[in-house]
Amino acid sequence: AQKITQTQPGMFVQEKEAVTLDCTYDTSDQSYGLFWYKQPSSGEMIFLIYQGSYDEQNATEGRYSLNFQKARKSANLVISASQLGDSAMYFCAMREPYNNNDMRFGAGTRLTVKP
Amino acid sequence: ETGVTQSPTHLIKTRGQQVTLRCSSQSGHNTVSWYQQALGQGPQFIFQYYREEENGRGNFPPRFSGLQFPNYSSELNVNALELDDSALYLCASSPGGGGRANIQYFGAGTRLSVL
Repeated sequence: AQKITQTQPGMFVQEKEAVTLDCTYDTSDQSYGLFWYKQPSSGEMIFLIYQGSYDEQNATEGRYSLNFQKARKSANLVISASQLGDSAMYFCAMREPYNNNDMRFGAGTRLTVKP
Repeated sequence: ETGVTQSPTHLIKTRGQQVTLRCSSQSGHNTVSWYQQALGQGPQFIFQYYREEENGRGNFPPRFSGLQFPNYSSELNVNALELDDSALYLCASSPGGGGRANIQYFGAGTRLSVL
């Protein structure tokens, strides 16, 4: 069964505007972690933001924030004030510590920032 | 820079051969995970090592094996290479533990081509 769903294969945003990348997840565990990673064309996965399932506040890291809606099982990434360097693949991931320790990734969203 | 280094960066092998990929974890991290990322897809979990012991495994056949050394560096070995093994292989390290200690930091990957 698909654990992480990213429904937007590609997104475009104008430079300096905000953009939301969608992510929904499926788990029956109470304890889990949600992650967003950025992958430029060079291939390296760059950690952006983390949200624990018990965290009551939405996570923020600089221009990145995570809109965590636990009841809806969604963990959308919001990027504010987009920059040209934000153009990349973005992956949502979930780790279930009591389920084999694996981290499941979505299929990714390719974000293109237009000047 | 995450401090996670992988070698080699690129590798070309022929079907049936064996390959060893190497990963040095970030200082202070005792947990290493390996992922396979096929072109156009999200990474797939191969296995995780914690303090030299396998600590979880994804849906990969036994010809994918690994090691972790006392300094927490790690190797991924793949025997009897198949064409479908062509992919980017990513290594990630983490401090181990709960909460933000789950955050995995990735190396730049090894791109393997099987001819």
